[in-house]
Amino acid sequence: GQNIDQPTEMTATEGAIVQINCTYQTSGFNGLFWYQQHAGEAPTFLSYNVLDGLEEKGRFSSFLSRSKGFSYLHLKELQIKDSDSYICGAMDSSYKLIFGSGTRLLVRP
Amino acid sequence: TAGITQAPTSQILAAGRSMTLRCTQDMRHNAMYWYRQDLGLGLRLIHYSNTAGTTGKGEVPDGYSVSRANTDDFPLTLASAVPSQTSVYFCASSDSAGGTDTQYFGPGTRLTVL
Repeated sequence: GQNIDQPTEMTATEGAIVQINCTYQTSGFNGLFWYQQHAGEAPTFLSYNVLDGLEEKGRFSSFLSRSKGFSYLHLKELQIKDSDSYICGAMDSSYKLIFGSGTRLLVRP
Repeated sequence: TAGITQAPTSQILAAGRSMTLRCTQDMRHNAMYWYRQDLGLGLRLIHYSNTAGTTGKGEVPDGYSVSRANTDDFPLTLASAVPSQTSVYFCASSDSAGGTDTQYFGPGTRLTVL
């Protein structure tokens, strides 16, 4: 079957660094997406990885290891406004996105 | 949520009634999708359309139908609503199907079936 696992909740301190892990099992693989979702709003695209390695975008970076079925989203210099849900999604062989249930991040002062 | 609108924003519906959730995009994207999002379960694909005139079933299609008469619109219909269809419904679109183009989401419709 197809499955995406990520932690339900994480807490971090303002100014610190947090890493949100995601493991996936899909029928084929065509890339790993990360979305950010503020409560009550639409998910918004953060990053896409299809090759092994790190993709960096400002304070956010995403890593992929295809052999391990593993990705992480790395946020540095955390701000209170980064308190949101972060959703991992793996694209299977038919180009369908399989989503995890999301990780709720709370950034404390 | 660039270029995708959904209506209504929220709705309370009596069980057994029918309802159509509307979705329109102005980005000329070929592919469109309907998801439902439930607490603890994440986004699950209901139906999709790779291009105008074609539709396909996703992970949880039962109780829902869709049509894709043109590129811009992708309505989702509940023929006879049941309480288990209480959820937040998101429409999404991407530039092409069969590719790794990013999916962009609409603002969502919060549906409560009583």
